[in-house]
Amino acid sequence: SAVISQKPSRDICQRGTSLTIQCQVDSQVTMMFWYRQQPGQSLTLIATANQGSEATYESGFVIDKFPISRPNLTFSTLTVSNMSPEDSSIYLCSVGGGAVSYGYTFGSGTRLTVV
Amino acid sequence: AQSVTQLGSHVSVSEGALVLLRCNYSSSVPPYLFWYVQYPNQGLQLLLKYTTGATLVKGINGFEAEFKKSETSFHLTKPSAHMSDAAEYFCAVSDPPYDKVIFGPGTSLSVIP
Repeated sequence: SAVISQKPSRDICQRGTSLTIQCQVDSQVTMMFWYRQQPGQSLTLIATANQGSEATYESGFVIDKFPISRPNLTFSTLTVSNMSPEDSSIYLCSVGGGAVSYGYTFGSGTRLTVV
Repeated sequence: AQSVTQLGSHVSVSEGALVLLRCNYSSSVPPYLFWYVQYPNQGLQLLLKYTTGATLVKGINGFEAEFKKSETSFHLTKPSAHMSDAAEYFCAVSDPPYDKVIFGPGTSLSVIP
């Protein structure tokens, strides 16, 4: 299974600012996924990060708020823009499966608090 | 569209008792099914997954789950609960092409001494 490194592990940010979260995988993967876990809630898929093309966003999530980059097959970033306290959550990246199973593993997450 | 329901947002069991966490899925095609565990203030760990083949799947820490197509269920069990099993458990599903995973609402398991 792929091993995922995510950073920062946590951050406290001022409202109105932006935070970029990095996700590094130890092997080349076709797709990477970004999830949000609001306090006391389950995980919700934000978007699929495709290498060489724009990310695919789930309903309720937009590129202006959550821009994603995928410069190569081992790395992706998620930016949380113009933050408000409602954005306080854990953000996790993942590699899924598909034709070659990458183990459906998750990064350790970024715990974001917006004040 | 794929979806997951978990009966019981909170389950309490006595130490040594059977653990049964229920999961039902909705999918129009044979799905992949997963159980993840999240300990307090920790990341997400894959307990077990069903893809194809044997419908009884064994995972880590003594957990197992059985895929029952006729019941659209994938319940998680452990014969004897341990205090260290107290955590949040998430059932999840993946439809073809089996890349992304969609999560259920989760069940919080408490183990009573």
